[in-house]
Amino acid sequence: DAGVIQSPRHEVTEMGQEVTLRCKPISGHNSLFWYRQTMMRGLELLIYFNNNVPIDDSGMPEDRFSAKMPNASFSTLKIQPSEPRDSAVYFCASSTGQGAWEQYFGPGTRLTVT
Amino acid sequence: AQSVTQLDSQVPVFEEAPVELRCNYSSSVSVYLFWYVQYPNQGLQLLLKYLSGSTLVKGINGFEAEFNKSQTSFHLRKPSVHISDTAEYFCAVRRGTALIFGKGTTLSVSS
Repeated sequence: DAGVIQSPRHEVTEMGQEVTLRCKPISGHNSLFWYRQTMMRGLELLIYFNNNVPIDDSGMPEDRFSAKMPNASFSTLKIQPSEPRDSAVYFCASSTGQGAWEQYFGPGTRLTVT
Repeated sequence: AQSVTQLDSQVPVFEEAPVELRCNYSSSVSVYLFWYVQYPNQGLQLLLKYLSGSTLVKGINGFEAEFNKSQTSFHLRKPSVHISDTAEYFCAVRRGTALIFGKGTTLSVSS
């Protein structure tokens, strides 16, 4: 299995621009999670989906952030407009939604907003 | 609500020395506990997990963890570390259908 795939791996953009991060979960996994990691705040859960439905988006920082999962094999996290404080590494993870619910992480997208 | 506390933010050790990374959890219900490792510029990788049964759990790369219900702890241990074990280690507890992660412990192994 290819594991969780994220793109792009690196993104540099200017303040005010729209940014879209993409994730392909492991085939057969029905839960998907978006995290943000910074030095100051550590690993934060932003939102997660179960069977393509958003279950908990309480971690989404503000309305500039939105996430979608149109089908079982694809999800996006969008920031519009982006701000320098959004600079972080964004991880996507997936889970089978059974048993212990352990999560499998992608390699992350390093976002830099200048 | 379930949560985890990693007591040490940084742990420096010499190669071939033993190491213990500490994790305490709070939960009023049955727990599922995890340790993840993050190597530089990579995503998190599952090291081991505790669901039930034996309190000593063995994971990858020679790591093991012991579940201690009375002390609400799930410490990670390795008897002899290598330079390649230098990474950040996260303890996590399952809450509902999500995982709650600790702040992480940076393990630095030097020769």
